[in-house]
Amino acid sequence: GAGVSQTPSNKVTEKGKYVELRCDPISGHTALYWYRQSLGQGPEFLIYFQGTGAADDSGLPNDRFFAVRPEGSVSTLKIQRTERGDSAVYLCASSTRQGTYNEQFFGPGTRLTVL
Amino acid sequence: AQSVTQPDIHITVSEGASLELRCNYSYGATPYLFWYVQSPGQGLQLLLKYFSGDTLVQGIKGFEAEFKRSQSSFNLRKPSVHWSDAAEYFCAVGRLTGANNLFFGTGTRLTVIP
Repeated sequence: GAGVSQTPSNKVTEKGKYVELRCDPISGHTALYWYRQSLGQGPEFLIYFQGTGAADDSGLPNDRFFAVRPEGSVSTLKIQRTERGDSAVYLCASSTRQGTYNEQFFGPGTRLTVL
Repeated sequence: AQSVTQPDIHITVSEGASLELRCNYSYGATPYLFWYVQSPGQGLQLLLKYFSGDTLVQGIKGFEAEFKRSQSSFNLRKPSVHWSDAAEYFCAVGRLTGANNLFFGTGTRLTVIP
């Protein structure tokens, strides 16, 4: 079946602009995660959704970052007033939420470049 | 707090040679441990995971890893590397509560030479 998809694959924007990054999880996966991967680093957790609600947003760096998942499927990560330091690859992952621990399936990411 | 250390930023091996990638973790409880591989333009792919039980775990593509509690390590191994194994490898520890999110190391880039 289809995996996690993310659009766009690349996004170039100017400092101060607003951007939206989209994630389509695997069908039926109730858990959805956003991670950010800066150059030369491993992915860092941003936010976790269980269904429609953001159950844990402790990884969001500041209030310029916001994410939604209104129907419990597609999620959008929104970044306001972008800064050059926001440049990174933004990864989305989804999983089921059954049992002790569930594998997270990752999308290919969106590479964001802020000029 | 959870953390993962991958001390080798870049490793080069010859095709057919054996491979060991190091990973050390810090976690206050019995950890859930993972190895992921990331190829250019591809998403992270799970190679293997350790939750409990046998400390030697087998994964896909001929990889294995050994959990050593006394050394807080979870090193990844492969007896014979193929050119297609060239990629970035990430070790991760899973948070056991709440979001169950992953904490990743900084990665090890593997280059395979003919």
